Amino acid sequence: AQSVTQPDIHITVSEGASLELRCNYSYGATPYLFWYVQSPGQGLQLLLKYFSGDTLVQGIKGFEAEFKRSQSSFNLRKPSVHWSDAAEYFCAVGAIGSNTGKLIFGQGTTLQVKP
Amino acid sequence: DAGITQSPRYKITETGRQVTLMCHQTWSHSYMFWYRQDLGHGLRLIYYSAAADITDKGEVPDGYVVSRSKTENFPLTLESATRSQTSVYFCASSTGTSKETQYFGPGTRLLVL
Repeated sequence: AQSVTQPDIHITVSEGASLELRCNYSYGATPYLFWYVQSPGQGLQLLLKYFSGDTLVQGIKGFEAEFKRSQSSFNLRKPSVHWSDAAEYFCAVGAIGSNTGKLIFGQGTTLQVKP
Repeated sequence: DAGITQSPRYKITETGRQVTLMCHQTWSHSYMFWYRQDLGHGLRLIYYSAAADITDKGEVPDGYVVSRSKTENFPLTLESATRSQTSVYFCASSTGTSKETQYFGPGTRLLVL
């Protein structure tokens, strides 16, 4: 069965420190890959997505993610975290060739930023 | 303003009552989705729609009904609310296949007593 795993439920980092959020997927082939962010009390917003080509993708707010086929991973990174990055982050996958538009989301990682 | 809106934003109801959550988008996106968000489960798809009058079940459809008579609206109805349906509900829309970005509404927080 297709699945997405975010191993870290909660992460705390100091402001200015680097960040890496992990995402692993289980799929028959390389899927479409997404990272979304949810600020408190709000809906989800797309940070970045990967379809093909360069395995390092850049997103909004200074985030980037790297696709590693051998590890079935799509980890999200930021070199220097800001207090405003405190939010919940979701990794998601979509099936290539599917016309349903459906995505499968991971359970989410809550990021806390210490001053 | 253009975008995707949900109403109500907050709702308290009692078990057994019927509740309808509204979702409206102004982009004329073909696809619309309903998710519920619960601690420890992330977002789970309830129903989705590829176009007006075309709907299909997602991962957790039991106890919910949807309709889509107009492209811009995608209401979600809980026919007889249960406590297990206490959750935050998100509506989303996209232009097409699963490579497209989904745009999310602000959510409806539902409490079933």
